[in-house]
Amino acid sequence: KNEVEQSPQNLTAQEGEFITINCSYSVGISALHWLQQHPGGGIVSLFMLSSGKKKHGRLIATINIQEKHSSLHITASHPRDSAVYICAVNTGTASKLTFGTGTRLQVTL
Amino acid sequence: EPEVTQTPSHQVTQMGQEVILRCVPISNHLYFYWYRQILGQKVEFLVSFYNNEISEKSEIFDDQFSVERPDGSNFTLKIRSTKLEDSAMYFCASSLPSGTERYEQYFGPGTRLTVT
Repeated sequence: KNEVEQSPQNLTAQEGEFITINCSYSVGISALHWLQQHPGGGIVSLFMLSSGKKKHGRLIATINIQEKHSSLHITASHPRDSAVYICAVNTGTASKLTFGTGTRLQVTL
Repeated sequence: EPEVTQTPSHQVTQMGQEVILRCVPISNHLYFYWYRQILGQKVEFLVSFYNNEISEKSEIFDDQFSVERPDGSNFTLKIRSTKLEDSAMYFCASSLPSGTERYEQYFGPGTRLTVT
């Protein structure tokens, strides 16, 4: 069973700040996902990665397989980035996702 | 862009009643999932479905739950006799069938189930 831990649980930042959210997991994975959940509840996939680094706009996701650790970075944060960011993993050949508890981000003006 | 849809968006039911939550996955996807999120808690896996049968289920998915793909487009989750603790947001997801693409899941907007 894979345990997925995220930190911090809550994060408040001012507009323009660089933000880092961390995720660690206990068992080797096939893929790691970063997801975004807005107050209405819907879940949107941001990244899926199994090695290295991916970038999309102001978002960057990195993963270190040896250390079982991933980070999500947001550059030049904006109030519209306010949401819950969730790390989730596929373990082994299973396609189901195991989720972390999420990081609640609030970006203020 | 294709998307997963779910109906209803909010369902209120009395304890002991049966509910059916409906999902329309993306048309060329062949893996389907149900997850739930109790308010304030993390998202939890319930069941995965492939090739017209359950491929994996969690401990949560007991005899009160069942899934079905009644036609070529819908994927349903039935709770036979709802309990207060079934109150949660239920998410449907789907993915492509082959290789690493099956790991990338597309989520529906969720159905909020309230059991009173």
